[in-house]
Amino acid sequence: SQKIEQNSEALNIQEGKTATLTCNYTNYSPAYLQWYRQDPGRGPVFLLLIRENEKEKRKERLKVTFDTTLKQSLFHITASQPADSATYLCALRSNAGKSTFGDGTTLTVKP
Amino acid sequence: GAVVSQHPSRVICKSGTSVKIECRSLDFQATTMFWYRQFPKQSLMLMATSNEGSKATYEQGVEKDKFLINHASLTLSTLTVTSAHPEDSSFYICSAELPGQGVNTQYFGPGTRLTVL
Repeated sequence: SQKIEQNSEALNIQEGKTATLTCNYTNYSPAYLQWYRQDPGRGPVFLLLIRENEKEKRKERLKVTFDTTLKQSLFHITASQPADSATYLCALRSNAGKSTFGDGTTLTVKP
Repeated sequence: GAVVSQHPSRVICKSGTSVKIECRSLDFQATTMFWYRQFPKQSLMLMATSNEGSKATYEQGVEKDKFLINHASLTLSTLTVTSAHPEDSSFYICSAELPGQGVNTQYFGPGTRLTVL
């Protein structure tokens, strides 16, 4: 069956460091992958999209990589700030048009 | 751009009553909208896919007579929880799909917290 795993449930890092979140998948051939940020009691906010034929995407302090051989996406936040603390979700989109979300990783950036 | 609103943001109702939640795409037209349910510290659980002008497609295990979905226009989808019970208490989130160049991005509403007493 299809499975998406996001590294640890929680990730704690020091302000200024780079946060790296992992999204692994099995039994899935995504057309593209998206990362979202979700704050408590709020809906997810779209951050970045990367297609299956793209290796890397950047947006300001965010970087996403996509390795279809390893079946893995990495999400990096450089120069992290306490305001980056949130839950980050990866979502895989198949050619059939349905998105499947991971359980999320809760990032805490300590000042 | 790509703003989705939900109303109400919070609702408390008595057991047995029905509750309607509205989802609107404010600055784009959405042929497809999605309804999710989220329990504390868990991920999004897709309930149904709402297509404008046609019947919604429900995920396995979701009762279509319990959760009525109406996608009457390209900017509005509604979810009605009928005869609500305490176990229906949850965080309901909608999303609207914005088509792009070969990709569709979901933009989410802020969510509705439903509490059934």
